[in-house]
Amino acid sequence: ETGVTQSPTHLIKTRGQQVTLRCSSQSGHNTVSWYQQALGQGPQFIFQYYREEENGRGNFPPRFSGLQFPNYSSELNVNALELDDSALYLCASSDPTSGVLNEQFFGPGTRLTVL
Amino acid sequence: ILNVEQSPQSLHVQEGDSTNFTCSFPSSNFYALHWYRWETAKSPEALFVMTLNGDEKKKGRISATLNTKEGYSYLYIKGSQPEDSATYLCAFPAPNAYSGAGSYQLTFGKGTKLSVIP
Repeated sequence: ETGVTQSPTHLIKTRGQQVTLRCSSQSGHNTVSWYQQALGQGPQFIFQYYREEENGRGNFPPRFSGLQFPNYSSELNVNALELDDSALYLCASSDPTSGVLNEQFFGPGTRLTVL
Repeated sequence: ILNVEQSPQSLHVQEGDSTNFTCSFPSSNFYALHWYRWETAKSPEALFVMTLNGDEKKKGRISATLNTKEGYSYLYIKGSQPEDSATYLCAFPAPNAYSGAGSYQLTFGKGTKLSVIP
């Protein structure tokens, strides 16, 4: 069983640029959630995708957008990068069958630095 | 806005010591509480999903208790070892307002960073 993978591992961008982060979900999981962990904070929920549709969104501006593909892998896109977007971005996959009883399986994250 | 608090923020213990830390969460609209263990440069890994008031779960030397009425959970580590060094996160799930199908989002605390000194 393959775990959750993310790419790239690290990324450096400049303000105003756009970035795409990628996530492959664990086999059999049709739900992918994205979280942002800024320095000194816990991970914060960005949004979730279920069967290729956005299925919940946290308090993030529209320049944070996403996609989910038929194989349930997902992308997080951030436009017009700001310095405060520098963070670790985590993706997590889950099987929603048992709802909140189901743990989420996390990838190792992508470290984004905006200069 | 849900408020999930963890204390202490960081902890240094000697190898062999037992330790515990706290997660507090909203006591209303409780669904479950998740504990995750996150080693540096690795993925957060689920330790426990707790649902019932008074629940106690155990995995090896790590155990957790839950009090949903007062809104707190304790994580205990007995006889800490250097390999227990990690950040321990608790997370409060809330169902998504969208189509559901059992989907939920996690609100995390800031974590407790444990360092076990050999």
